[in-house]
Amino acid sequence: KQEVTQIPAALSVPEGENLVLNCSFTDSAIYNLQWFRQDPGKGLTSLLLIQSSQREQTSGRLNASLDKSSGRSTLYIAASQPGDSATYLCAVSWNNNDMRFGAGTRLTVKP
Amino acid sequence: DTGVSQDPRHKITKRGQNVTFRCDPISEHNRLYWYRQTLGQGPEFLTYFQNEAQLEKSRLLSDRFSAERPKGSFSTLEIQRTEQGDSAMYLCASSLSGTSGGHTQYFGPGTRLTVL
Repeated sequence: KQEVTQIPAALSVPEGENLVLNCSFTDSAIYNLQWFRQDPGKGLTSLLLIQSSQREQTSGRLNASLDKSSGRSTLYIAASQPGDSATYLCAVSWNNNDMRFGAGTRLTVKP
Repeated sequence: DTGVSQDPRHKITKRGQNVTFRCDPISEHNRLYWYRQTLGQGPEFLTYFQNEAQLEKSRLLSDRFSAERPKGSFSTLEIQRTEQGDSAMYLCASSLSGTSGGHTQYFGPGTRLTVL
């Protein structure tokens, strides 16, 4: 069964810290993996898309890595800010059709 | 680029009533997806269209649910005989498919359904 797991479910850090969010998935034959941000009661904002052939993607203070063999991806956030507080969702596509999401990590960055 | 829009943003209905939601994708996007999200969970895939063709449906999409994309532009999701378990956020996303690999899905703000 193809599943996506995100641990921890919640994380609280002081402003300025670097942090890592984890995503694991069963079945390493993925098509791509995408990280999203979701603010309370809102839709999803795409952060980074990593194709199956790639190992990482970077955008500003964000860096996402992919290790298919171990079934893991990490989202690294540098120099965290209170505005980074949100739920971060990892989604995996195995067939370029639908995506399967993890339950998310709720991040709180304290001033 | 106006983004993906959804209407209405909120819907409150009584059990047994029918409801219909609309999604307008980013104009040049040929793929349109519907997801459902309950509190504390990630979105769950319901169905997707490539142009006007509905290519995949999740087993979550019972016979009370139907989706259409008649001209390959906007889409509607109808739920008949709503049940309290249908209460959720319904999210629409669109993307531009191609041969060079998967493309980013862009999400709308969602329609929050409450069934009383």
